[in-house]
Amino acid sequence: KAGVTQTPRYLIKTRGQQVTLSCSPISGHRSVSWYQQTPGQGLQFLFEYFSETQRNKGNFPGRFSGRQFSNSRSEMNVSTLELGDSALYLCASSFNPGQVSTGETQYFGPGTRLLVL
Amino acid sequence: AQKITQTQPGMFVQEKEAVTLDCTYDTSDQSYGLFWYKQPSSGEMIFLIYQGSYDEQNATEGRYSLNFQKARKSANLVISASQLGDSAMYFCAMRERKAAGNKLTFGGGTRVLVKP
Repeated sequence: KAGVTQTPRYLIKTRGQQVTLSCSPISGHRSVSWYQQTPGQGLQFLFEYFSETQRNKGNFPGRFSGRQFSNSRSEMNVSTLELGDSALYLCASSFNPGQVSTGETQYFGPGTRLLVL
Repeated sequence: AQKITQTQPGMFVQEKEAVTLDCTYDTSDQSYGLFWYKQPSSGEMIFLIYQGSYDEQNATEGRYSLNFQKARKSANLVISASQLGDSAMYFCAMRERKAAGNKLTFGGGTRVLVKP
């Protein structure tokens, strides 16, 4: 079974631009979560989508948004990029039958490295 | 307060020796799960091991074992017989049942370097 894929792997943007990152979960997985990883703040939860609905959201400004399609693929968008948005963006998927289990394992993709100049 | 604390920013370990990575957590939830992930320099997070708050036995997965001490709120990862490929960042993470959905809260990580 193919793992979680993320595109693009690397991205360079300038301040003020917007960016869209894509994530394809493991086949059959219905939950997709996004995380931001920076040297200063570590790994932080952005949001999670399940059955095309945002189920949880981290403490990020409204410039960060996402969506999930009927095939469970997900995109996240960052508008009006700032230098501080430079980070590794990780996507994770899990099967999640609907009732959240604390043991539901999330499988991560390779990440998208975003550099904002 | 930090929910997940990893006090060792970096460690050296000799090849073939065992290493213990510390993780303490803070939650008022009775039901929660603890995870360890490995992140090589390539960036991908690799799932290693899981321990549920109600599990009475310590989890084991191959060379990885989790030393779970619930009263002390600690979930230390033990890697036995270290290999050069074990050099990576290691993250402890927690999912609380009261948190909606699949949100994982991560610690700051421990960098492990295995010496030949």
